[in-house]
Amino acid sequence: GDSVTQMEGPVTLSEEAFLTINCTYTATGYPSLFWYVQYPGEGLQLLLKATKADDKGSNKGFEATYRKETTSFHLEKGSVQVSDSAVYFCALSVVSGGTSYGKLTFGQGTILTVHP
Amino acid sequence: DAEITQSPRHKITETGRQVTLACHQTWNHNNMFWYRQDLGHGLRLIHYSYGVQDTNKGEVSDGYSVSRSNTEDLPLTLESAASSQTSVYFCASSRLAGANTDTQYFGPGTRLTVL
Repeated sequence: GDSVTQMEGPVTLSEEAFLTINCTYTATGYPSLFWYVQYPGEGLQLLLKATKADDKGSNKGFEATYRKETTSFHLEKGSVQVSDSAVYFCALSVVSGGTSYGKLTFGQGTILTVHP
Repeated sequence: DAEITQSPRHKITETGRQVTLACHQTWNHNNMFWYRQDLGHGLRLIHYSYGVQDTNKGEVSDGYSVSRSNTEDLPLTLESAASSQTSVYFCASSRLAGANTDTQYFGPGTRLTVL
């Protein structure tokens, strides 16, 4: 079946540090890949997405590139801020057998804490 | 502004009771989803719907049911609440019928405790 594996957290960084959160996936069809972010006490919101191989999604200084050859979609940011402290989820949605489903399969989430 | 709301935001109930969690969206989206969030598991899909009168089971559907009588609402019912159903529940919606590229929009969540 389809699955997403994220690097285990929590991740603690100082402000302006470089961030990488690893995400790899297994999919039976042709996935679109997503990063969602959950700020404390809130629901999830889309951070970025990529819908085909070699696409790069970007938003708010975050980037992730869809790598089909390594089945990865790692999240990066060059300089994190305290306001980036949140839980980050990698997810996929698959087209399988000619039918689009639109369901999301999530990784377990990575807690990021950024200190001043 | 269009939005997706959930109620109640917090609920405490007893084992064996029936509980219904409400989800309402004003985007006129076709697709609606229910997830539960548990530490170490991320979000797992409970049920989903692609339109009125359409409902489908997700990964962890045992003990839960949904019905879709209109576009805006997808209530989630726990038929006989169990302690294992203590969790945070999120409702989500998306626009495109069955598309795998579409963004899902999430509600603020309901924290359910079953004693």
